[in-house]
Amino acid sequence: EAQVTQNPRYLITVTGKKLTVTCSQNMNHEYMSWYRQDPGLGLRQIYYSMNVEVTDKGDVPEGYKVSRKEKRNFPLILESPSPNQTSLYFCASSLSVRTNYGYTFGSGTRLTVV
Amino acid sequence: AQSVTQLDSHVSVSEGTPVLLRCNYSSSYSPSLFWYVQHPNKGLQLLLKYTSAATLVKGINGFEAEFKKSETSFHLTKPSAHMSDAAEYFCVVSLFNQAGTALIFGKGTTLSVSS
Repeated sequence: EAQVTQNPRYLITVTGKKLTVTCSQNMNHEYMSWYRQDPGLGLRQIYYSMNVEVTDKGDVPEGYKVSRKEKRNFPLILESPSPNQTSLYFCASSLSVRTNYGYTFGSGTRLTVV
Repeated sequence: AQSVTQLDSHVSVSEGTPVLLRCNYSSSYSPSLFWYVQHPNKGLQLLLKYTSAATLVKGINGFEAEFKKSETSFHLTKPSAHMSDAAEYFCVVSLFNQAGTALIFGKGTTLSVSS
């Protein structure tokens, strides 16, 4: 089944403890992206990747890192999480951003930083 | 600058009555527009998309949307609401240019359906 898989689905962590949220897609998509969803703000883009080894900042990149060493994986790294990063995170992928195929989203990761 | 405005944060309808979720966009380019739905505790699912073909776009579950360039609108409609339509709906514009790429999301409209 074609899908975007995020792990974990739920995570509670303490301030300052490094964490990684994994994202993997099995559709050979070039484009991958991370979003956070907060009440009243909709979804905001954190980082995106046009292809392997090509990443760039979205609208709210502060406090986050990403890497794209291989096409299928696009992990989101929080080096020193803070409570304002408590949010619902979504990974998305698309065959190619140029052709507007639309995006496939993962099921989300609900992160709580205490 | 590109932006998306969903005109209602909350819409309530009765089962069997029509649904209208309003979306206006601003874009310097010919936009690609999408509607996504998010059911409680679920991810986002693509309902339909407009990519410069027919202006009336049909999607899943009986939803459709009409692209009106003169009004810069992309409203989502359904003739008859079902209880299972209760969810949050996002209007999205796709931007791609030399500066980069992004999906720009509206802030969402929560649809409630009563029996």
